[in-house]
Amino acid sequence: NAGVTQTPKFRILKIGQSMTLQCTQDMNHNYMYWYRQDPGMGLKLIYYSVGAGITDKGEVPNGYNVSRSTTEDFPLRLELAAPSQTSVYFCASSSSGASYEQYFGPGTRLTVT
Amino acid sequence: AQSVAQPEDQVNVAEGNPLTVKCTYSVSGNPYLFWYVQYPNRGLQFLLKYITGDNLVKGSYGFEAEFNKSQTSFHLKKPSALVSDSALYFCAVRDSGSSNTGKLIFGQGTTLQVKP
Repeated sequence: NAGVTQTPKFRILKIGQSMTLQCTQDMNHNYMYWYRQDPGMGLKLIYYSVGAGITDKGEVPNGYNVSRSTTEDFPLRLELAAPSQTSVYFCASSSSGASYEQYFGPGTRLTVT
Repeated sequence: AQSVAQPEDQVNVAEGNPLTVKCTYSVSGNPYLFWYVQYPNRGLQFLLKYITGDNLVKGSYGFEAEFNKSQTSFHLKKPSALVSDSALYFCAVRDSGSSNTGKLIFGQGTTLQVKP
């Protein structure tokens, strides 16, 4: 099993550009999450999904969008990139239920200049 | 409001000595608590969790954590630190207001530095 994979690993965007961060998991997990990690701030939840076709906002959703058309994939879309979106983005997945741990991808380091 | 606090930005310990990384939490209802480790330029890796049962939980790489309900704490411990344990450690608690979504609230992280 590859677990959770994310592409790209690094990306530099100009202000106003758009991009999609890809996330795929091969563990047949229903629950998937997108976080951003900023130095000294821990992880903040952007969006999450409890199954294909179901998504909901997390703590910091502004400037982002998601879709979940399949169990495996959970892409994160950035529209009109801003410097405040410079961060490291992590995708995670877990089996159903609140007691299950999350499995994280390796992250995407995004710089907006 | 629900929250997790890791009061130390950094913990320094000599190799072979015991280590403790502190975590306190504030949630309504029974807490589901987790510890994760992040090595440089990597994603987070699950170490251990407390859901119910024995207050002392054992996890990966020789780590354990003690749940203390009266002190609302879930400190991470290891009897003998290794240089390879040097990493960023995150405590997390399930968001109990979110009804089985599995959402977690993370602390800000503690850097553990183990010196030879």
